[in-house]
Amino acid sequence: NAGVTQTPKFQVLKTGQSMTLQCAQDMNHNSMYWYRQDPGMGLRLIYYSASEGTTDKGEVPNGYNVSRLNKREFSLRLESAAPSQTSVYFCASSTGAGEKLFFGSGTQLSVL
Amino acid sequence: GESVGLHLPTLSVQEGDNSIINCAYSNSASDYFIWYKQESGKGPQFIIDIRSNMDKRQGQRVTVLLNKTVKHLSLQIAATQPGDSAVYFCAEKKGNMLTFGGGTRLMVKP
Repeated sequence: NAGVTQTPKFQVLKTGQSMTLQCAQDMNHNSMYWYRQDPGMGLRLIYYSASEGTTDKGEVPNGYNVSRLNKREFSLRLESAAPSQTSVYFCASSTGAGEKLFFGSGTQLSVL
Repeated sequence: GESVGLHLPTLSVQEGDNSIINCAYSNSASDYFIWYKQESGKGPQFIIDIRSNMDKRQGQRVTVLLNKTVKHLSLQIAATQPGDSAVYFCAEKKGNMLTFGGGTRLMVKP
């Protein structure tokens, strides 16, 4: 049972570089989410997709874009990385919007 | 406990004792609440949830209490074990999103 799979697990970027974080779930969930977690803090929602074909902004969307590629996959893109985007990024999925989330193991991103 | 940025509130308990972790939520209209456990280097794991039409729900060694009058949620862990050492987060449903609190670190002393 893979659950929610995120790639890569670690990434180092220089300021201004772009990259895409990948997320896939095999639980046939309708909703998918991207959160960031800064040291010693809770999770803050970046973007979410309540269902295939829709995406919405969360609490901290600036500097990010997302794509719900299909029901399984939800990617997060940083077009021009900034040091303030250094964080651990978690993807999650749920059967319905705002319901119990299942999390991936995270991507640790450092922007120098 | 409320988060104060880098300084997570910490609860230190003796192995075998009961633990109580508290959370204040913000939206009186929230109708669904969840507790998550996060171990170092891992993603959050679901512990227990409760809907607003209940005030108590029990799981295996865990109980969640909901006081809607004062917008307060608590997680009780019975007979705390070393494996319970982690950061615990409460989350509330706001529309289509789950919003997380700042977390409380639980340390279990052998």
